[in-house]
Amino acid sequence: EAGVTQFPSHSVIEKGQTVTLRCDPISGHDNLYWYRRVMGKEIKFLLHFVKESKQDESGMPNNRFLAERTGGTYSTLKVQPAELEDSGVYFCASSLSTGTAYEQYFGPGTRLTVT
Amino acid sequence: RKEVEQDPGPFNVPEGATVAFNCTYSNSASQSFFWYRQDCRKEPKLLMSVYSSGNEDGRFTAQLNRASQYISLLIRDSKLSDSATYLCVSRGGGADGLTFGKGTHLIIQP
Repeated sequence: EAGVTQFPSHSVIEKGQTVTLRCDPISGHDNLYWYRRVMGKEIKFLLHFVKESKQDESGMPNNRFLAERTGGTYSTLKVQPAELEDSGVYFCASSLSTGTAYEQYFGPGTRLTVT
Repeated sequence: RKEVEQDPGPFNVPEGATVAFNCTYSNSASQSFFWYRQDCRKEPKLLMSVYSSGNEDGRFTAQLNRASQYISLLIRDSKLSDSATYLCVSRGGGADGLTFGKGTHLIIQP
């Protein structure tokens, strides 16, 4: 079974540019999460989709970040315009359910560098 | 105050030794707890869930103390392959996602 995949693995952009990150969850997983780790800090939750609906976006830092999951399959996270403090590793995770037995499987992450 | 706090280490431990990590959490409404393992430049991977009754998986034992808001992980007979960062994680009590500690770096020395 294929795991969570993310694209690209690395992205280097200049301040003010736009970047779109993509996440493909494990097939059949309705729950999809985005997280971010900036240098020296802990991994932080950004948002949660159940199918195509945003269930919780309390962790999104500001309105420069837009996440979508059209059709309830893959998800994109767009940063526009990017700022220096957006640099970090963006992880996507998926889970089958949100019950007590759930497990979140993480993708390899996208390392974003804003210069 | 961080929601989940861990000693960042590093813990340098000889192969075969027993090592214990602890973490504390501040959100008393947290419902579920986990230990994740993260290798350098890799994604976090679930090591084990943590239950109040304590649970064991091979060489690994996890314990939760809700009264003290404290979680522990014990690794017995440590192997070189146990070298990694161990992330203490909670869920519930607010946002849908997981709340991570910064991690404890473990180095097993031959």
